[in-house]
Amino acid sequence: DVQLTQSPSSLSASVGDRVTITCQASQDISKYLNWYQHKPGEGPKALIYDASNIETGVPSRFSGSGSGTDFIFTISSLQPEDIATYYCHQYDNLPHTFGQGTKLEIK
Amino acid sequence: EVQLVESGGGLVQPGGSLRLSCAASGSTFSNYAMTWVRQAPGKGLEWVSIITSSGASTFYADSVKGRFTISRDNSKNTLFLQMTSLRAEDTAVYYCAKGGATVTDGFGYWGQGTMVTVSS
Repeated sequence: DVQLTQSPSSLSASVGDRVTITCQASQDISKYLNWYQHKPGEGPKALIYDASNIETGVPSRFSGSGSGTDFIFTISSLQPEDIATYYCHQYDNLPHTFGQGTKLEIK
Repeated sequence: EVQLVESGGGLVQPGGSLRLSCAASGSTFSNYAMTWVRQAPGKGLEWVSIITSSGASTFYADSVKGRFTISRDNSKNTLFLQMTSLRAEDTAVYYCAKGGATVTDGFGYWGQGTMVTVSS
């Protein structure tokens, strides 16, 4: 199984800050990585697909990069509505696997 | 826009069974793989199972293999998860999600989830 190591597990930042989350895969998964935003009481929302492509309707402050084993998710200017837990997800191989999640809080 | 609505969750005793449903609308249901993902209380997301667009092939996480069965009715735009021999560790919110053309695609849309509690 592909293990995804996501860090940090939690993060406190101020409105307007640049926020970065990393996700490292245990083997080469090419570009086959998604990033999701998950708020309590809701289903996860896809933000980034194929490592660097932004989903339709997602604000441009969200971005992703990387390939192979190392991936980065960035919020360029943190907004109050961005408070959530963020997950990476690989779909190069079955079983699908997720990172442990990063809980983002406002400082 | 794609909408996914799960139902069928509830409280069940260990060893019991439950059948979850996921009603889909807003896209051609039969064109896409569909999946179940769960989140135990205080834990992260865990992939459970996936089914191809036609329903011909199914895949499971080791933790549920032999106990859970995924299926779909493309004529009714509905996905199912039959859960048997339930254990306390199956307690979680269960989400259905829309995949892509194959089972190795990302999950573009998710439902709001249905809670399953396994307890005596």
